[in-house]
Amino acid sequence: GNSVTQMEGPVTLSEEAFLTINCTYTATGYPSLFWYVQYPGEGLQLLLKATKADDKGSNKGFEATYRKETTSFHLEKGSVQVSDSAVYFCAQGGSEKLVFGKGMKLTVNP
Amino acid sequence: EAGVVQSPRYKIIEKKQPVAFWCNPISGHNTLYWYRQNLGQGPELLIRYENEEAVDDSQLPKDRFSAERLKGVDSTLKIQPAELGDSAVYLCASSLNGLGEQFFGPGTRLTVL
Repeated sequence: GNSVTQMEGPVTLSEEAFLTINCTYTATGYPSLFWYVQYPGEGLQLLLKATKADDKGSNKGFEATYRKETTSFHLEKGSVQVSDSAVYFCAQGGSEKLVFGKGMKLTVNP
Repeated sequence: EAGVVQSPRYKIIEKKQPVAFWCNPISGHNTLYWYRQNLGQGPELLIRYENEEAVDDSQLPKDRFSAERLKGVDSTLKIQPAELGDSAVYLCASSLNGLGEQFFGPGTRLTVL
């Protein structure tokens, strides 16, 4: 079945460090890909998405590119802030359901 | 515009007791989802509604779980009787015609003692 594998944390970075969170997927066909973020005490929020190969999603300084050849959707940010501390989930799917990775907790220290 | 509303936010019960969770989706969203998120895991779909019809309940443990969305708006998820392994966060999400982004509520954190 469809699945998502992502880097597991927790990860601690210093402010202004570079962030990469790896995500790969297995699927039949070409699903849409998503990154969701869960800030402490809050619900899941969509961070960015891509719906077809080579699409780049971006938001709040985060980027991810849909790579069909490597079945990947890695999340990157050039300079993290303390406010980026959260749990990040990679997901695939569409209107029927989302299949999530296990999530990665990121802590950014000043 | 109000987001997805869930209640209660937290619930602690003893095993074998019943429990119910309520969800009110974003106004106009006809697709509603219930997910369960175990500790340290990503959410997993339990059931999906299109209006009042449950179109995918293949992952819902039907011996003890039930759900309803009688008027195609708000929804209730019930567990009876609860087991220790049901401790998790239960998330409700909604989308417009099942397209694009799913909007999630804050979840109900259930602890079964």
